[in-house]
Amino acid sequence: EPEVTQTPSHQVTQMGQEVILRCVPISNHLYFYWYRQILGQKVEFLVSFYNNEISEKSEIFDDQFSVERPDGSNFTLKIRSTKLEDSAMYFCASSTSTGQENLFYGYTFGSGTRLTVV
Amino acid sequence: AQSVTQPDIHITVSEGASLELRCNYSYGATPYLFWYVQSPGQGLQLLLKYFSGDTLVQGIKGFEAEFKRSQSSFNLRKPSVHWSDAAEYFCARFKAAGNKLTFGGGTRVLVKP
Repeated sequence: EPEVTQTPSHQVTQMGQEVILRCVPISNHLYFYWYRQILGQKVEFLVSFYNNEISEKSEIFDDQFSVERPDGSNFTLKIRSTKLEDSAMYFCASSTSTGQENLFYGYTFGSGTRLTVV
Repeated sequence: AQSVTQPDIHITVSEGASLELRCNYSYGATPYLFWYVQSPGQGLQLLLKYFSGDTLVQGIKGFEAEFKRSQSSFNLRKPSVHWSDAAEYFCARFKAAGNKLTFGGGTRVLVKP
């Protein structure tokens, strides 16, 4: 079964450093997403991406965050200058695009990257 | 704004007993509702989904959920839990605008031997 792959599974970084989280979505998917889950809290939407541009972003997704699809397979989330409160599990997801229900049927999450900012 | 509420933060159940997890959603057009499970250290796995039609939906691992519009609820059930069902369960609602999921706060299930 096709999978969304995220690397690394764990990342520890110093406060103020830049970090890039990587994701390989399912190959025929056209919509890409990032979610995060701070320890003990709910999973929160960060951003959706389609046709090489952001289609929607949450208030969490401020200027410190950016997303990119640098080639035909990777989808990255960059945090420019990490803060302690960025420590969380970050989930990538992807979905198909053909109709509303079909769009969801393809909505698949990766296993996440646990980011720890020290 | 559309929201999803899971009233129970923790539930402890004995192995072999039945389980019911509550989920309520805020008012809106026909909701697209989902249950996900997250085992420790793992990602989010889809258990089941409701788009329309039959209000009782079957999922994987022996789970089912019932959509009740009158109660704005989509409760998850399993007749007999196994130790491997210990995990965190999230109810979520799909919003077509932005194609995003809004999650409830989650319910952590502990299974006693």
